[in-house]
Amino acid sequence: AQSVTQLGSHVSVSEGALVLLRCNYSSSVPPYLFWYVQYPNQGLQLLLKYTSAATLVKGINGFEAEFKKSETSFHLTKPSAHMSDAAEYFCAVSPYSSASKIIFGSGTRLSIRP
Amino acid sequence: GAVVSQHPSRVICKSGTSVKIECRSLDFQATTMFWYRQFPKKSLMLMATSNEGSKATYEQGVEKDKFLINHASLTLSTLTVTSAHPEDSSFYICSARPKGLAGPYNEQFFGPGTRLTVL
Repeated sequence: AQSVTQLGSHVSVSEGALVLLRCNYSSSVPPYLFWYVQYPNQGLQLLLKYTSAATLVKGINGFEAEFKKSETSFHLTKPSAHMSDAAEYFCAVSPYSSASKIIFGSGTRLSIRP
Repeated sequence: GAVVSQHPSRVICKSGTSVKIECRSLDFQATTMFWYRQFPKKSLMLMATSNEGSKATYEQGVEKDKFLINHASLTLSTLTVTSAHPEDSSFYICSARPKGLAGPYNEQFFGPGTRLTVL
């Protein structure tokens, strides 16, 4: 069964620093992968998605993620953190064989230090 | 863009009462809607998948008689928490998949969530 593992439940970076949120997936076939962001008491917003096209995926708000099959990873990065990036980030996988489901990771809370 | 709304955004009820949460796709038709539950500082747990005009499919461990789901139209799905108890207090989020999306990749658009507090 497909799953995603997010390493680090809480990441704190300084404003202007690199943001790196880690996600590893488990799947016997290439899945579809997503990153979502959730601001306090709000629903989820799609940041970016990987659907077997380009391995480097650019999303909204300056975020991007790279699909690395050899490492089964889909880490999320942003070159320069902004205070408004503080939120909860979820990596998710949609199994190829079960297109209706999205399985979420446990989430990583990103804090930005002034 | 595709917008999904939920109503109410917050609800407080007494133990033993039933609460209905609505999920609407505002500018698109959704053949499939999903209901998730999110515990504090935890991830989203898929509760059930509902398809317009048919019975919902519940995930393992989710009581279908406790969480009644109705998907009566292509723009509305409702989740009713029956005989609510304090342990049902949670953040409930719905999502909708637009009609006509073909292929294995599917896009889901999420609502803003409903916070349920059972006293």
